[in-house]
Amino acid sequence: DVKVTQSSRYLVKRTGEKVFLECVQDMDHENMFWYRQDPGLGLRLIYFSYDVKMKEKGDIPEGYSVSREKKERFSLILESASTNQTSMYLCASTLGVSSYNEQFFGPGTRLTVL
Amino acid sequence: SQKIEQNSEALNIQEGKTATLTCNYTNYSPAYLQWYRQDPGRGPVFLLLIRENEKEKRKERLKVTFDTTLKQSLFHITASQPADSATYLCALDTNTGGFKTIFGAGTRLFVKA
Repeated sequence: DVKVTQSSRYLVKRTGEKVFLECVQDMDHENMFWYRQDPGLGLRLIYFSYDVKMKEKGDIPEGYSVSREKKERFSLILESASTNQTSMYLCASTLGVSSYNEQFFGPGTRLTVL
Repeated sequence: SQKIEQNSEALNIQEGKTATLTCNYTNYSPAYLQWYRQDPGRGPVFLLLIRENEKEKRKERLKVTFDTTLKQSLFHITASQPADSATYLCALDTNTGGFKTIFGAGTRLFVKA
């Protein structure tokens, strides 16, 4: 089975801190994604990556950056955390470049910024 | 604007009945549509995919329909069980080239014993 893991289930940070969220998948998937999920808004795509060292902006990239140094690992970075970044963050991966493929999600990280 | 809508109100049904969830979209011509299940505090899990040229897809107690004229997908769970209680998300590709999947906000389903 595909396994997507995220470094933390719950995280509490202070405004202005730099925050790192890590995601690892073990199935050699090419594509990886970071979403945030807020009540009533659904999943919104922050960034995605087709390949190592590749990244593409999603719908809401402002305030975030990403890093993909290895195929299995995709990191989301909040350069200076703000309260409006309090949310559930979900990482996903998928095999192949077609958007036809199902996405495999990690368990999520509930981030609270105080 | 581009939009995908699911009932924001929770759906409450009795065990054994059929649950029907709706997904409507505007301004898209998706090649396919997916349904996911999400339990509280967890990531979504893929359930079914239906292509634009398929009217209906079944998997065990699940059935999905896709009406590209109405721009609507219906998701049915027959003989529902309390274990089916979860939030169900629909997702579609925007068919704009590249990789872009849009998710709905989900509908919460409660199945009472």
